[in-house]
Amino acid sequence: IAGITQAPTSQILAAGRRMTLRCTQDMRHNAMYWYRQDLGLGLRLIHYSNTAGTTGKGEVPDGYSVSRANTDDFPLTLASAVPSQTSVYFCASSPDRNTGELFFGEGSRLTVL
Amino acid sequence: GQNIDQPTEMTATEGAIVQINCTYQTSGFNGLFWYQQHAGEAPTFLSYNVLDGLEEKGRFSSFLSRSKGYSYLLLKELQMKDSASYLCAVMDSNYQLIWGAGTKLIIKP
Repeated sequence: IAGITQAPTSQILAAGRRMTLRCTQDMRHNAMYWYRQDLGLGLRLIHYSNTAGTTGKGEVPDGYSVSRANTDDFPLTLASAVPSQTSVYFCASSPDRNTGELFFGEGSRLTVL
Repeated sequence: GQNIDQPTEMTATEGAIVQINCTYQTSGFNGLFWYQQHAGEAPTFLSYNVLDGLEEKGRFSSFLSRSKGYSYLLLKELQMKDSASYLCAVMDSNYQLIWGAGTKLIIKP
C-alpha cells in the first residue's frame, strides 16, 4: 500500500523557474492538502481540495497554484520560484474535510537559489 | 487571531514520564489532534480529543479541557525512539487545522 507519494523528494531550483511538485494518493480520499513546514513555524496550509474538481486557498497561497482533475492527483505549481519558497512541502489527504486525521506524504525539500 | 502554543523543546530520561502541554485560542473547536514527527520524516497521527477528559492509547495518553483551551500529551515509559517533535493541532469552526510549531522531545539514556 503506497498511501501518498510525493515527487521529487528533493530539488534545487533557480529563482524565476517554474516547478511542479507532484502528489498522488491511492486511498480514494476526498480531501487533499498542501502544507509548507519551516523551522520554528507550524505547518502552514497553502491550498486544499475538498473533493475532485474543487480547490481552495489556505493561509499562504500567494505564488502557488493547484489543480484537482481527479481524486488521486493534487499537483502544486510554483509559477516563478523565489528564495522565500525554500521549504519542506508536505502533501496530505483525509477521507473528507471534516476529518483531522491526515495522512502525509514523505515531503519534498525545495531549495530556491 | 488563532493561536496554538506549545513548548519549543523538552528533555526527558529513558523510562520516565513526560507531559507536553498545548494551549489554544481558535475560532470554534472541532477537535484537537496530536501528531508525532521524527526528524526528516512526515507527521503521523497519534491521538484525537473532542470531548473533555483523557484518551489513553498504550503508552500515550491525551487530555483535553475545552473550557481552559488546554490539552496535554502524556508519554509513559519513554523509549529512545520517542525522540521526535510532537505537533498539536486544533480544527476550527471552518474545519481547518491550525497547527502549533511543535515540541521537540529529546530522550536521554
